Amino acid sequence: AQKVTQAQTEISVVEKEDVTLDCVYETRDTTYYLFWYKQPPSGELVFLIRRNSFDEQNEISGRYSWNFQKSTSSFNFTITASQVVDSAVYFCALSEGYGSGNTGKLIFGQGTTLQVKP
Amino acid sequence: EAGVAQSPRYKIIEKRQSVAFWCNPISGHATLYWYQQILGQGPKLLIQFQNNGVVDDSQLPKDRFSAERLKGVDSTLKIQPAKLEDSAVYLCASSFGEGLTKNIQYFGAGTRLSVL
Repeated sequence: AQKVTQAQTEISVVEKEDVTLDCVYETRDTTYYLFWYKQPPSGELVFLIRRNSFDEQNEISGRYSWNFQKSTSSFNFTITASQVVDSAVYFCALSEGYGSGNTGKLIFGQGTTLQVKP
Repeated sequence: EAGVAQSPRYKIIEKRQSVAFWCNPISGHATLYWYQQILGQGPKLLIQFQNNGVVDDSQLPKDRFSAERLKGVDSTLKIQPAKLEDSAVYLCASSFGEGLTKNIQYFGAGTRLSVL
């Protein structure tokens, strides 16, 4: 069965601190995609990143970085030098299958609420 | 480029009443999704359309929920009759449905439904 677990319900940090959001997934498929979305108070989910199961390279985009480890079924997200504008709910999601075998259906975790204090 | 549009933003109804939500996806996006997000939880897929055909409605409570996308563009989601447990945010998302970015979904701001 497919499942995404974000064990951290809420995290509070002070501005400029680094913070890592954990994501652990379960799937029987050997091919899949992993995603991170940000949900600010306005409500809409904002796409941050997509990784496929073939590519375990870590990725960095500005202050954001992602660590994908198939051996531990984890896809963790780190924000370096956090800012108040990073305050939001962050969701990790799984989509099974690859290429034409992927329907696009997303299985979301429960989300982690990040509060960055000035 | 215009994003996914949803209306209304908020709706308050009493139980056993009916309600409808509207979604207009990003232009050119073939795939449209409706999700239900209960407070404190991640979104859960209710129904997925590819153009005007249903791809997945396995988690749609069909005794009370219905959805259509008649012309393969905008879509409506209806609840009739509503129950207290339907209180949630209803999110619409769309994606190209093909190509390298086929499954990257873009979300609207959602409709917050309160059932009293």
